[in-house]
Amino acid sequence: ETGVTQTPRHLVMGMTNKKSLKCEQHLGHNAMYWYKQSAKKPLELMFVYSLEERVENNSVPSRFSPECPNSSHLFLHLHTLQPEDSALYLCASSQDRRLAGPYNEQFFGPGTRLTVL
Amino acid sequence: QKEVEQNSGPLSVPEGAIASLNCTYSDRGSQSFFWYRQYSGKSPELIMSIYSNGDKEDGRFTAQLNKASQYVSLLIRDSQPSDSATYLCAVKDGFNKFYFGSGTKLNVKP
Repeated sequence: ETGVTQTPRHLVMGMTNKKSLKCEQHLGHNAMYWYKQSAKKPLELMFVYSLEERVENNSVPSRFSPECPNSSHLFLHLHTLQPEDSALYLCASSQDRRLAGPYNEQFFGPGTRLTVL
Repeated sequence: QKEVEQNSGPLSVPEGAIASLNCTYSDRGSQSFFWYRQYSGKSPELIMSIYSNGDKEDGRFTAQLNKASQYVSLLIRDSQPSDSATYLCAVKDGFNKFYFGSGTKLNVKP
């Protein structure tokens, strides 16, 4: 595996389901991100994990719960989602700024297309 | 709120022409600037990064940065139909946060 991988690639779930999205990076990075991309809207940063610190976007509903067990893996746990949560969920990784300074490029995984019925 | 502004387009250019994409940002503390290409239904792909004022060239792509004007641009020379995509401008602050524009859709007509 190379780069950033995400599973599953597609997910359909009901509003009462619980599911998890998985992301793994093979780039030796130590910062990982979750983004939401809805139609005709900018990429929305949801969560950042870097060197075991979590930076949280306060506008993210609690029905989204991130987990970062180590610098290579990132999860997004989903429960009681709403239809408006249907979107493309993108994982990305980079080096932490404290190690790479400003020269930390960010690379994306292929995304999970989520549909909430 | 740190903002990144792009014209949504679509920008239409004939094959072989130069495509010029523009982006402005609000945070003067921004340190790093990136251009991503995103094909429909796919994830963003990094094509250029630039960190200091001036031009940076990579093949048919040239990124231009003017921090005083808070402006970054991307030029695509000899545009090809395969360049048709949405181009996202991204700006990184002094921490680990990246801010994205809404993207400019580019159509290159054969």
